Amino acid sequence: AQKVTQAQTEISVVEKEDVTLDCVYETRDTTYYLFWYKQPPSGELVFLIRRNSFDEQNEISGRYSWNFQKSTSSFNFTITASQVVDSAVYFCALSPGANSKLTFGKGITLSVRP
Amino acid sequence: GAVVSQHPSWVICKSGTSVKIECRSLDFQATTMFWYRQFPKQSLMLMATSNEGSKATYEQGVEKDKFLINHASLTLSTLTVTSAHPEDSSFYICSARLPGTSGPYFGPGTRLTVT
Repeated sequence: AQKVTQAQTEISVVEKEDVTLDCVYETRDTTYYLFWYKQPPSGELVFLIRRNSFDEQNEISGRYSWNFQKSTSSFNFTITASQVVDSAVYFCALSPGANSKLTFGKGITLSVRP
Repeated sequence: GAVVSQHPSWVICKSGTSVKIECRSLDFQATTMFWYRQFPKQSLMLMATSNEGSKATYEQGVEKDKFLINHASLTLSTLTVTSAHPEDSSFYICSARLPGTSGPYFGPGTRLTVT
């Protein structure tokens, strides 16, 4: 069975602070995919990143960066210089294939204060 | 822009009635779509996998006779909540993957309130 743990439930930071959202996963599959989604108050899920298990290269996209470490089964997400618009619920998810069903973590509510 | 749309975005219905939610892939064909449900301040839970031209696959604990899924075309899947009750009030979200790209992408969701 697949499992995603987001131990942090709520994080509050002041604008311009850096913040890291943790994600730990469990799977017996050798091939799998990891995802991060953002859910603003409107409810729509915004796709942020997909990473497959064979690609441990970390990625940076603007103020966002992701640290994938298979040795610790973690896929952490860092927002640099946070902004108020970053306030949302962030979900980490796991799937056995690129077009398979996703198992979501419980989500982390990020509040960025001006 | 959005690659998956849902209709309606919100709906209120009376207990005992049925309501249909549509999920459309825009400008691409999706042989597989997924339906999730999200209760307030909770995570998303997969309800079923919708396969074009065949029966849907339901997750354990999801009543297939209550949540009817029809994937009649490569761009449309529908979820019908039959004999809705207040406990069915939730946020229903579908997803599909645009081949050759990242994702999957999610629709904007449908908020169902059963009174």
